[in-house]
Amino acid sequence: QLQLQESGPGLVKPSETLSLTCTVSTGSIKSSDSNWGWIRRPPGKGLEWIGSIYYSGTTFYNPSLKTRVTISVDTSKDQFSLNLSSVTAADTAMYYCARSSTLLGHLDNWGQGTLVTVSS
Amino acid sequence: QSALTQPPSASGSPGQSVTISCTGTSSDVGGYNYVSWYQQHPGKAPKVMIYEVSKRPSGVSKRFSGSKSGNTASLTVSGLQAEDEADYYCSSYAGSNNVIFGGGTKLTV
Repeated sequence: QLQLQESGPGLVKPSETLSLTCTVSTGSIKSSDSNWGWIRRPPGKGLEWIGSIYYSGTTFYNPSLKTRVTISVDTSKDQFSLNLSSVTAADTAMYYCARSSTLLGHLDNWGQGTLVTVSS
Repeated sequence: QSALTQPPSASGSPGQSVTISCTGTSSDVGGYNYVSWYQQHPGKAPKVMIYEVSKRPSGVSKRFSGSKSGNTASLTVSGLQAEDEADYYCSSYAGSNNVIFGGGTKLTV
C-alpha cells in the first residue's frame, strides 16, 4: 500500500508563502499511472481541490487558486510540493496530499493531513 | 466554479437505508462519469467509497452504492451501521483540467 506523508510549518504569517512537501514511500513517484494532488479542508467547511502534478512535471490547478499556487515534483526524493503565496486567514486548513491514477481518477491514497494556520 | 451541492446532514437508524445527493451542472456531474464519493471520519483522511459514479473499490462494503441521473449523483448506504457515521463528500471532474468537491454531508446513524 502506497504511503504519503505531508510535512511543513504549521503556522504561516499573513502575506507569506505556505510551503508543504509530500513524501511518497513504499512506492515510486515516477509512476506513469499516477497523478499527485493537494486537497484542503478549511475548518467547518468542505474539501477543496488545489491542484495536481504528474511526475513529468505537467501541472493542473484550481482556477480560483491558480494565480497563487505552484506544485512541483522532485523525483530523486520521491516528493512533491505545494507553494501557496500571499496567504490570508482564509487559507487556514487541513492540507492533504493524495494520489490518483489520472486527473480524472479517484483519489485512492491519502496522507494523514497537516494543519496549517495562517496567523500573525 | 461553484462547489457541488450536498445536503448538510442526513440520518438514519441502524439497518435502514439513506441516500445522499450531489447536485452539479451539465459541465461537471452531468457531463462526465467521473463522480467519486469519499467517507471521512473525524481526524482521519478521506477514503474513497465509490468512483466513476457506481464502481466500488476493493474492500468497500457492498452496502455502499452510487448512481447518477442528469446533473445529480447519489450515494446510497443500505443496512446502516454505527461505523457509517461520518462526513461524506462527492467530487466530479469539471472539465478544463479541474476537479470540484461537494460541501459535504454529515451522516448520523
